[in-house]
Amino acid sequence: DAGVTQSPTHLIKTRGQQVTLRCSPKSGHDTVSWYQQALGQGPQFIFQYYEEEERQRGNFPDRFSGHQFPNYSSELNVNALLLGDSALYLCASSFWGTGEDEQYFGPGTRLTVT
Amino acid sequence: GQQLNQSPQSMFIQEGEDVSMNCTSSSIFNTWLWYKQDPGEGPVLLIALYKAGELTSNGRLTAQFGITRKDSFLNISASIPSDVGIYFCAGPHLNTGNQFYFGTGTSLTVIP
Repeated sequence: DAGVTQSPTHLIKTRGQQVTLRCSPKSGHDTVSWYQQALGQGPQFIFQYYEEEERQRGNFPDRFSGHQFPNYSSELNVNALLLGDSALYLCASSFWGTGEDEQYFGPGTRLTVT
Repeated sequence: GQQLNQSPQSMFIQEGEDVSMNCTSSSIFNTWLWYKQDPGEGPVLLIALYKAGELTSNGRLTAQFGITRKDSFLNISASIPSDVGIYFCAGPHLNTGNQFYFGTGTSLTVIP
């Protein structure tokens, strides 16, 4: 049973560039949430996708956008990168229909902006 | 945003000792989950709590959801070196749907 997978593992970008991160949910899950985790802090919710639509969004600017595909995988896009965007980006998957809130996380993508 | 405060911020214990950590909020939470995160990796779900007052165990781990739905504790019995990591509480606030909030974390170090 495959867990949540993310790619790439690490990424180095320059200020002003754009980046795309990818996530495949755990088998049987249909909902994907994205989080940003700065060093030494807890994860911060960016947004959540279900049925290819953004269902909920945290306090992040429009530079952060996403997409969910028919196979439930998802992408996180960040435009006009800032130094402060350097963080571990985590994807979590869950099943929408159970009413339970268990989210399972992938290993993350470490983004460094220079 | 909603604040989940965890205490203590860090703990240094001897192998074999029991551990207790807490998480409190000023807001009511629907669900309370405890995660463990190793450096550079994603959080791993340890225990999920759904009902006020619920007490749940998972091996050496025990967690309880407070009656007011504003707090929770996690206990680890007979700690071992692989318990080292950062423990986070997390969950969706009553009025924010599926948006998860994470606590500030408790860093655990186990001394062999």
